[in-house]
This record gives sequence, structure tokens and C-alpha cells, in this order.
Amino acid sequence: EVQLVESGGGLVKPGGSLRLSCAASGFTFSSYSMNWVRQAPGKGLEWVSSISSSSSYIYYADSVKGRFTISRDNAKNSLYLQMNSLRAEDTAVYYCARTEGIAAEADYWGQGTLVTVSS
Amino acid sequence: DIQMTQSPSTLSASVGDRVTITCRASQSISSWLAWYQQKPGKAPKLLIYKASSLESGVPSRFSGSGSGTEFTLTISSLQPDDFATYYCQQYNSYLGTFGQGTKVEIK
Repeated sequence: EVQLVESGGGLVKPGGSLRLSCAASGFTFSSYSMNWVRQAPGKGLEWVSSISSSSSYIYYADSVKGRFTISRDNAKNSLYLQMNSLRAEDTAVYYCARTEGIAAEADYWGQGTLVTVSS
Repeated sequence: DIQMTQSPSTLSASVGDRVTITCRASQSISSWLAWYQQKPGKAPKLLIYKASSLESGVPSRFSGSGSGTEFTLTISSLQPDDFATYYCQQYNSYLGTFGQGTKVEIK
């Protein structure tokens, strides 16, 4: 059974940093692209960042470029999102999601982890 | 950037109704479109991919159609479990953009 489990969310002050993790199981992690998608409270979905299976291709939404860094460790079946210089508008539930390619539909999602940026 | 516009934003319907949600892309995305269902406090669930392909395990009352810039999601006979918010998403380019969502409410 495919499972994606996010962790690392919490309350952080503006300007602070946080590192999210996503532990994957039930599939060959190294064969899939992985993604972070976020949802601000009461709002819609926003695609944040994508990383290809071998980390050769990495993309960021303009809203997070230069502040967030996506990475993966295929040996540990894990995906990460390092978030620096956090702003109030980064407050959201962050989901990790699996896609077969760098531009594809997301067929499996984690349960999400809440990041709250507030003083 | 490709913009996705869904209509309506909210839809009130009864069990058994046929429901149609529309999604328009700001430029052609061929058939690179997915539909997701999201319930409160839960992650999105993939329903349809490549505009009209039904994801495994999704009931056949869900169907998708369209290509280019206009797409529709149809629920042939609305069931109690279908009251949720639905999102379209284009993946013609990386960092696929979502529509703003359509909330299907009980009439």
C-alpha cells in the first residue's frame, strides 16, 4: 500500500525556518517524481515545488523561489522541504504528493502537515 | 503561466442529480488535465487524469471530457459521499496550476 507521511510542521515566527519531511513506503520511491502542494486555511491548492526521480529537475513556484529548497534521499525513501525566511502567507497545510513524471497528475497524497507562521 | 478557471464556485444539488463542473484553461493544455475531490480536513483524491481517464477505484458515475481549453467533470447521479470540493489541475507544464475549486453542497 502506498503511504506518504509528512512531518515537521509547527508554529514558527516570521523570518524563521522549518524543515518538512515526507516518508514514503509501498512503492519504488526512486522511480517517481515528488512534489509539495500547499493549502492556506480556507483556500485552494497551490503547487509549491517538484523534484524529478533522480533530482535532475527541480522547480519552484515564484512565491517560494529563493526561500524554499526541495530535496530527496532515495536511499531513505524520503522527501524534504527546507523553508527559510518564512512569511505569514506561507501558513498552510503542506502535502507531499507523488507523480509519475515531473508534469503529471498526483495519484497519491500524504495527510498533510500544518505550518503556521505567526509572531 | 497557465491560469485555470472553474465554474461555478459553489453548486447546490440533491442526491440523484446530474452535476457538471467546468474548467477553462487560459491556453491550450491538450488533454493534460486532472480532477480531484477534497473533503474537509483530508488530502485531495485523484478522480480523473488525462481529461477523461478514470482513476482506479473511482466510481463510474464520475466522468471527464474536453480538450484544449475547455473541460468538464460530470457526476451522473450525485451520492451523499460526493458532497465535497472539486479541483481541476493542468499539467501541460511543470508546477501544474489548480482551479479555484467548486464546492458541491446539499440543496
